[in-house]
Amino acid sequence: GIQVEQSPPDLILQEGANSTLRCNFSDSVNNLQWFHQNPWGQLINLFYIPSGTKQNGRLSATTVATERYSLLYISSSQTTDSGVYFCAVESGSNYKLTFGKGTLLTVNP
Amino acid sequence: DTGVSQDPRHKITKRGQNVTFRCDPISEHNRLYWYRQTLGQGPEFLTYFQNEAQLEKSRLLSDRFSAERPKGSFSTLEIQRTEQGDSAMYLCASSPLSGGANNEQFFGPGTRLTVL
Repeated sequence: GIQVEQSPPDLILQEGANSTLRCNFSDSVNNLQWFHQNPWGQLINLFYIPSGTKQNGRLSATTVATERYSLLYISSSQTTDSGVYFCAVESGSNYKLTFGKGTLLTVNP
Repeated sequence: DTGVSQDPRHKITKRGQNVTFRCDPISEHNRLYWYRQTLGQGPEFLTYFQNEAQLEKSRLLSDRFSAERPKGSFSTLEIQRTEQGDSAMYLCASSPLSGGANNEQFFGPGTRLTVL
């Protein structure tokens, strides 16, 4: 099956800093989603982005499908941005999502 | 705006007992998915339904696990004879059945299972 690798596994920032999270995948995809998992375990949808670029406030994402990677940008980070960020992809003829192992982001005040 | 709901949110049980979880998807969504997440890992796919039909099951879904979606609305996931290795967060998601390419999945808050 498809492989999804996220980097870095851990990231520590000071409030106000910018960051870039990366997601590499091993095959062509029909769907790519970025999630933020809060401390209670809820997965919050950030972007549905199989290709192209999207922005939502301080967050933006870019997927280059031909090169099999996606990037999540967080600008002017806040302590509330802390948590685990997951990339998940859907590939082939089924509809299941395959997740990476996530990036644990800690934003210190 | 009603999202995906799951019940219970937490379940503690003793090894060997049976447990059942419920998921209510977003009302207009025809596809429903179950995932399992263990500590430090991303969620892993278990099974999915399109309306009432169960269309795919992961090899992770042993014969002690069964899922149903009898009327194409809510779904239940039952684990029989629970083992300590079943301890995990069980997540439910739903997505619309549309003619387009959008299959964005939305997740519920999860049921955290602890098997003692």
